[in-house]
Amino acid sequence: NAGVTQTPKFRILKIGQSMTLQCTQDMNHNYMYWYRQDPGMGLKLIYYSVGAGITDKGEVPNGYNVSRSTTEDFPLRLELAAPSQTSVYFCASSYGGPKGDNEQFFGPGTRLTVL
Amino acid sequence: GIQVEQSPPDLILQEGANSTLRCNFSDSVNNLQWFHQNPWGQLINLFYIPSGTKQNGRLSATTVATERYSLLYISSSQTTDSGVYFCAVGISNFGNEKLTFGTGTRLTIIP
Repeated sequence: NAGVTQTPKFRILKIGQSMTLQCTQDMNHNYMYWYRQDPGMGLKLIYYSVGAGITDKGEVPNGYNVSRSTTEDFPLRLELAAPSQTSVYFCASSYGGPKGDNEQFFGPGTRLTVL
Repeated sequence: GIQVEQSPPDLILQEGANSTLRCNFSDSVNNLQWFHQNPWGQLINLFYIPSGTKQNGRLSATTVATERYSLLYISSSQTTDSGVYFCAVGISNFGNEKLTFGTGTRLTIIP
């Protein structure tokens, strides 16, 4: 299993541009998540999904959109990029379920700089 | 929301030393994970330990859920142990899956 994969690894955007960060998992996990990590800080949840077609906001959702059309993929869309969105973005997945194993597994991250 | 505090914030040790990292949390949780973020930024799962004790080689962890804390023990430190250690907690109910991260303990192992 490749686990959780993310593309691209690095990206530089100009203010006002948009882009999509890709995330794919091959562990047949129900739940997927997007986090951001600012320098010297822990991770903060942006959005999460409990299954295809179901998404919900996390702690810091403003400026982002998500969709979940398949179990495997959970792309994160940035519209009108701003310098405050300069961060490292991590995608994660977990099996999920009411009494299931909810250990989250993380991808390698995407380092985004907005200038 | 849940508050997560990690201590100490920074730790510098000689190779071969032992260390204990602490994570306190403010509410009952049923998901607790320890991660190691290496110098390249990769997050490595160490333990999934909402309660009890687990060991994996030189690392072990204990969570006392009733007293709302967890401890990560690292024995015989190696330079490859350097990095930031994060504790993350959550309440895993169907449809409400969120991990709250602490701000981490930065561990530096000196040869």
